[in-house]
Amino acid sequence: GAGVSQSPSNKVTEKGKDVELRCDPISGHTALYWYRQSLGQGLEFLIYFQGNSAPDKSGLPSDRFSAERTGGSVSTLTIQRTQQEDSAVYLCASSNRVDFAQYFGPGTRLTVL
Amino acid sequence: DAKTTQPPSMDCAEGRAANLPCNHSTISGNEYVYWYRQIHSQGPQYIIHGLKNNETNEMASLIITEDRKSSTLILPHATLRDTAVYYCIVRVALNSGGSNYKLTFGKGTLLTVNP
Repeated sequence: GAGVSQSPSNKVTEKGKDVELRCDPISGHTALYWYRQSLGQGLEFLIYFQGNSAPDKSGLPSDRFSAERTGGSVSTLTIQRTQQEDSAVYLCASSNRVDFAQYFGPGTRLTVL
Repeated sequence: DAKTTQPPSMDCAEGRAANLPCNHSTISGNEYVYWYRQIHSQGPQYIIHGLKNNETNEMASLIITEDRKSSTLILPHATLRDTAVYYCIVRVALNSGGSNYKLTFGKGTLLTVNP
């Protein structure tokens, strides 16, 4: 079936603007994760959704970052008042309750000028 | 969190087996070991995971030592397309019930397959 999809694939914005990044998980996957990866760095966990449970927001770097997951499916990561250090590839992953393997989307490359 | 240690880089000749080591000496008894890889400019790709027994699938084999303090990912016949960063990860529970997990990615091993 279809994998995880993310949009847009690339986003260029000006410092101070808000951006929204979208993730469509694999159908039937109950868990959804957001990570980011700065150039040349490893993945940094941001937030995690599992079913109807309260999300784990422990990885969000500041209160400018927030995420929602509507209807247990699509998720939106919002970054308010973007800063240049927010520039990174933002990756979304989903998993099921069988093997918990996370399947990643292609990512959104965010560039803040 | 159970941390993992991997060499920063390795080289392998095309067609030969690539053996990627990982140390996870503080792993707990119910924590799984996962391997992912990330090819340049792509999202990470799940490869394989295991708890105690050795595992094999169409991509690779996973050998876990008896004391579970280390593991080795084996790509039996490496190709140029296997050049990637390989991540060894220990699954950490997010809640006390152990039903929710996150994967913490470190720096991984850059495997370069040479012609």
